[in-house]
Amino acid sequence: DIQMTQSPSSLSASVGDRVTITCRASQIIGTHFNWYHQKPGKAPKLLIYDASSLQSGVPSRFSGSGSGTDFTLTISSLQPEDFGTYYCQQSYIAPRTFGQGTNVELK
Amino acid sequence: QVPLQESGPGLVKPSETLSLTCTVSGGSVSSEGYFWNWIRQPPGKGLEWIGYVSYIGSTTYNPSLKSRVTISLDTSKNQFSLKLNSVTAADTAVYFCARFYQLLTSYPFDYWGQGTLVTVSS
Repeated sequence: DIQMTQSPSSLSASVGDRVTITCRASQIIGTHFNWYHQKPGKAPKLLIYDASSLQSGVPSRFSGSGSGTDFTLTISSLQPEDFGTYYCQQSYIAPRTFGQGTNVELK
Repeated sequence: QVPLQESGPGLVKPSETLSLTCTVSGGSVSSEGYFWNWIRQPPGKGLEWIGYVSYIGSTTYNPSLKSRVTISLDTSKNQFSLKLNSVTAADTAVYFCARFYQLLTSYPFDYWGQGTLVTVSS
């Protein structure tokens, strides 16, 4: 299986902060890579697909970059509704695997 | 609009079979290019992909669960289902159904059900 490792595992930030989350794949996956946001008690929501494409309806403060094994999610100005857990996911080969999650909390 | 909805028992006894259904209301399960997935999340933990059934009924499963899992399509009811047999407490989780579309190269899960908690306990 391809292992996906996110960092940090958690972070504290304030509204308006620039936030960066990274994800590393255990082997090259091209851009077969997605980011999701999950709030407690809810299903994950797709933010970024193909490593850098913004899903329809997602605010432009979210952006993704990377290819190969190293990927980054950036939130340019954190908003109150952005708190929760972020997951990366690879779809290069089955089984599809997710990172362990990054919990973004209010400072 | 929530086009996917899970249903099924919330409590299953150890060694028995977990059975869930996902009803799709936002389109046909046999529409070309769509793949219908089950994903689970143990309480307080991360996400685990279980497997999928394609619009033509072909399946792919996570090897870690393959010996116990069956995912199938019911086009007459516009549903797909999950069966996981010989369950243990380790199978206690929120189970999500989700879809991806083949024409997007990263096959993102763009629509999810709200999730249903299944507890394995006697």
